[in-house]
Amino acid sequence: QVQLVESGGGVVQPGGSLRLSCAASGFTFSSYAMYWVRQAPGKGLEWVAFIRYDGNSKYYADSVKGRFTIARDNAKNMVYMQMNSLRSEDTAVYYCVKDCWGSWCFEVWGRGTLVTVSS
Amino acid sequence: QSALSQPASVSESPGQSITISCTGTGSDIGDSNSVSWYQHHPGKAPRLIIYDVSKRPSGVSNRFSGSKSGTTASLTISGLRAEDETLYYCSSYRAGDTWVFGGGTKLTVL
Repeated sequence: QVQLVESGGGVVQPGGSLRLSCAASGFTFSSYAMYWVRQAPGKGLEWVAFIRYDGNSKYYADSVKGRFTIARDNAKNMVYMQMNSLRSEDTAVYYCVKDCWGSWCFEVWGRGTLVTVSS
Repeated sequence: QSALSQPASVSESPGQSITISCTGTGSDIGDSNSVSWYQHHPGKAPRLIIYDVSKRPSGVSNRFSGSKSGTTASLTISGLRAEDETLYYCSSYRAGDTWVFGGGTKLTVL
């Protein structure tokens, strides 16, 4: 079955960097767009970034634009999120999400990885 | 990128029906059929229950249904069960290649 497993979360100081990874399996990875979505403690879901199936289009939420970079490796079935200049407000559980087929929606979610930005 | 507007909480008795609203703008819900709903039990991965306004993924109960009128989308859950008690989020594609979520609604089954 479809599986998404995030890794790379942890505690980082403000201004620091972190790289999240997401290992995908159980579907034709190179045919699907992928997203990162986050949830801050006690808050709702927030879309963070999108990458097209071939990696040629990438879009970001205003809150992370210029600081976060999404990437993928279709040969390895992996999605990444490079997070720089981290702020306390970036503290959240980060979910890797598979796009729906033929529609813009968040079809399958990973369990998430926690990023804590704190001094 | 302000969120879509959902009621913070709703409640209803087992066996009854409940509707959760999600209000956006002409740039998202009002201009898109890519409206979706998610069920989220804290500590677990969110689950897609409605996409394209009113379509149900395979395996989702037909007790869940969706609709849209203008800039407001709605999720209706019929025949409420104790297991339905959790958080629900709406989402929409927004012009400019962005996506937006609602703030979430806590459903209590009394």
